[in-house]
Amino acid sequence: EAQVTQNPRYLITVTGKKLTVTCSQNMNHEYMSWYRQDPGLGLRQIYYSMNVEVTDKGDVPEGYKVSRKEKRNFPLILESPSPNQTSLYFCASRPSGSNEQFFGPGTRLTVL
Amino acid sequence: KQEVTQIPAALSVPEGENLVLNCSFTDSAIYNLQWFRQDPGKGLTSLLLIQSSQREQTSGRLNASLDKSSGRSTLYIAASQPGDSATYLCAVNNAGNMLTFGGGTRLMVKP
Repeated sequence: EAQVTQNPRYLITVTGKKLTVTCSQNMNHEYMSWYRQDPGLGLRQIYYSMNVEVTDKGDVPEGYKVSRKEKRNFPLILESPSPNQTSLYFCASRPSGSNEQFFGPGTRLTVL
Repeated sequence: KQEVTQIPAALSVPEGENLVLNCSFTDSAIYNLQWFRQDPGKGLTSLLLIQSSQREQTSGRLNASLDKSSGRSTLYIAASQPGDSATYLCAVNNAGNMLTFGGGTRLMVKP
């Protein structure tokens, strides 16, 4: 089944403890991105990647890192999480020839 | 900077009604506009994608229109059903790499 998967789906952590949220897609899509969704603010893009080893900042990149060593994986790294990063995170992908994005199921992160 | 607004923020209708969700955007230089559905605690499901050169797209009971010059799109849902209850999001693609989302319309269809 063609899909975007994220792990973990739920995570509660403490301030300053490094964490990684993984994202993987099995559709051979070139483009991948990360969003966060917050009440009243909607979805905002954090980082995106056009292809392997090519990443760029979105609207709200502060406090996040990403890497794209393989086409199928696009992990989101929080080196020192803070409570204001408590949010619902979505990974998305699309092929280079299309603008239709496919979203993962989301990761709900709570930083205490 | 592109801004996307959705009105109303919430809508409650009885089953069987036809309804219209509105989306407006400030920068008309868009590549496309996409409507999504989001169920509570779930990810986003793409419903319809309208390219900037198109006026509308249809899928089953859903019809989305696009008026790029006025910065507006509507999602029309015919004969609404309780299973249509969800949050509907519109997103505008300006630069090919970034989607700008509206705040969503939370729809409740009552049996």
